[in-house]
Amino acid sequence: EPEVTQTPSHQVTQMGQEVILRCVPISNHLYFYWYRQILGQKVEFLVSFYNNEISEKSEIFDDQFSVERPDGSNFTLKIRSTKLEDSAMYFCASNGGGRETQYFGPGTRLLVL
Amino acid sequence: GEDVEQSLFLSVREGDSSVINCTYTDSSSTYLYWYKQEPGAGLQLLTYIFSNMDMKQDQRLTVLLNKKDKHLSLRIADTQTGDSAIYFCAVVDNYGQNFVFGPGTRLSVLP
Repeated sequence: EPEVTQTPSHQVTQMGQEVILRCVPISNHLYFYWYRQILGQKVEFLVSFYNNEISEKSEIFDDQFSVERPDGSNFTLKIRSTKLEDSAMYFCASNGGGRETQYFGPGTRLLVL
Repeated sequence: GEDVEQSLFLSVREGDSSVINCTYTDSSSTYLYWYKQEPGAGLQLLTYIFSNMDMKQDQRLTVLLNKKDKHLSLRIADTQTGDSAIYFCAVVDNYGQNFVFGPGTRLSVLP
C-alpha cells in the first residue's frame, strides 16, 4: 500500500542552524501538508501546499520556515535558524484533494540543542 | 476557528469496551477522523466518518456522530493491550484544508 515517507527519522541540531526535513508524499497526491507536535502537546497545522505554492499557513509558520517541492516526488520543510522551541515531531501528510483523508508520514523528531 | 476537545486520559481493563469522546465547534465540518499514535510513532488513520452519517462500524471500531451536539465518539470493543496509545480526533477546518486535532486521549489498557 502506498505510504508517505519522511527522512531523517531523528535529527539533532544546534540552535541557529538550518535544517531541512524531507518527505515523499504518495505519488498521485496533489495536496501536501506539514504539521508539528511538541512533546506531550497536540498536533498543530503548519502549512498546506498545492500547485507549487502555499495555499494556507498557520501563525506558527513564520519567516523562519519555508517549503519546497524541488522535484516531482519530494516535499521539504526548511527551518532557517532553529530555536530551542522548534524541537518537536514534524509530520508530513498528503491527500488527493480537498477535505479527503490525509495520510501521514511517520514523522521526523527534531531536537534543537 | 475550529476547536476540538477530548478528555485526556482513559483506563480500561482488557476485554472491556473503550469509549473515547470528542467535541468540536464548527458545525460545517464535513469529515471527522480518528487517528492512533503509539509511543514514539506517527499518526495512523483508524477510521473516519462523513457528516451525513450517524454511525460507522469497522470491525472492533464503532464511530458515532451526533451533529446536533457536535459530538463524536470512538468505541473499541474487546479492548486489547495493543490498543494502548493516544487517540486523536481530527476535523477538517471548513475555512481551509488543514486538519484541526484534539489534544488526544491516552488510552491505557490494564491486564
